[in-house]
Amino acid sequence: GAGVSQSPSNKVTEKGKDVELRCDPISGHTALYWYRQSLGQGLEFLIYFQGNSAPDKSGLPSDRFSAERTGGSVSTLTIQRTQQEDSAVYLCASSSRPRGGSEAFFGQGTRLTVV
Amino acid sequence: GESVGLHLPTLSVQEGDNSIINCAYSNSASDYFIWYKQESGKGPQFIIDIRSNMDKRQGQRVTVLLNKTVKHLSLQIAATQPGDSAVYFCAETGRSQGNLIFGKGTKLSVKP
Repeated sequence: GAGVSQSPSNKVTEKGKDVELRCDPISGHTALYWYRQSLGQGLEFLIYFQGNSAPDKSGLPSDRFSAERTGGSVSTLTIQRTQQEDSAVYLCASSSRPRGGSEAFFGQGTRLTVV
Repeated sequence: GESVGLHLPTLSVQEGDNSIINCAYSNSASDYFIWYKQESGKGPQFIIDIRSNMDKRQGQRVTVLLNKTVKHLSLQIAATQPGDSAVYFCAETGRSQGNLIFGKGTKLSVKP
């Protein structure tokens, strides 16, 4: 596609429910990143995928968070048993070169609200 | 990475003036740096990048300066316009890191 696409754009869920957030990266991009951004704050790194290598999961805040990337393309971020502190904008980005060689292109994000 | 505060630093400038936004990066092994602009309700957008073998790079109305000795990065915007109002983030990465780490951001407000 023309850019990174994320869905849904907005998600309201009840506390304790599971949610899945989807990211479609730019075609051919081998690197994919997930970030979390709380209101008025910076980007918190969550997880990084690079080709067929094992993902860097060092930023995931708890075992309720997981992500997968199928076929080296689409990625899904799953949050189990959501809590109110999970409310944030979740941003996905993709990049064409491995190991930090080029800019990352961002999607518009998914705004998650846990009530 | 850097800790994230509750409130972003703010820089307020008059339209037409030059703006300088500063960033301290954390990893001396980082060798690629990017400045992003984030407008309200949107994802970050690329502005300019620089590699560690350079200390200055210029784009259209923007200049990035890199001081590896003190691990400092700056973004200069010439003749700042109201459309430049946004939050600006620096990001660092490198061959040994893979992931892209963001600084805490600076909110730029341009007064007409």
